[in-house]
Amino acid sequence: GQNIDQPTEMTATEGAIVQINCTYQTSGFNGLFWYQQHAGEAPTFLSYNVLDGLEEKGRFSSFLSRSKGYSYLLLKELQMKDSASYLCAVSLSGGYQKVTFGTGTKLQVIP
Amino acid sequence: EAQVTQNPRYLITVTGKKLTVTCSQNMNHEYMSWYRQDPGLGLRQIYYSMNVEVTDKGDVPEGYKVSRKEKRNFPLILESPSPNQTSLYFCASSSPGRSAEQYFGPGTRLTVT
Repeated sequence: GQNIDQPTEMTATEGAIVQINCTYQTSGFNGLFWYQQHAGEAPTFLSYNVLDGLEEKGRFSSFLSRSKGYSYLLLKELQMKDSASYLCAVSLSGGYQKVTFGTGTKLQVIP
Repeated sequence: EAQVTQNPRYLITVTGKKLTVTCSQNMNHEYMSWYRQDPGLGLRQIYYSMNVEVTDKGDVPEGYKVSRKEKRNFPLILESPSPNQTSLYFCASSSPGRSAEQYFGPGTRLTVT
């Protein structure tokens, strides 16, 4: 079976840095996605890590350790608009299209 | 504009009345998927398709059917809807490749009474 764990909720202050962790145990692994989902909207793509290490994209960075089954999403210089749910998802072996999502982390950014 | 469209956006129906939710993408993507999203359970994949006439089950396929007769369309069919299929449904598309980004439709909120 597949198991993906991430914290349910987090709160952080505007301008600060927040790290959202995700651990996974899956049968087969291609790569790991991070998506952002604002309330009532569709998810939007943030990153996809296949190799170990850190990938930076503006204020957002994503890290992957395949051997530890661990990833994190790092958000810098938090803005109020970053208040959203952040979804960790694993792409399973056999193709990018078979994807299992975690339950998501709801981030609240406060002034 | 590159997009995934779904129709209808909102639907209230009764148990047992067959319905179809349409999904269409204009990006020439090979891969398409259907998900349902429920509070506390997150997004769960129902079915996915790797190309025309090629589909496979996701994690929660029971009670759903799909077809992929054309590359751009991937309808979700509920032959006999039940109240436990009340949910928010998303269609998504992507292309093979390293980025593998999925583009999601706006969602269809279905209520089965």
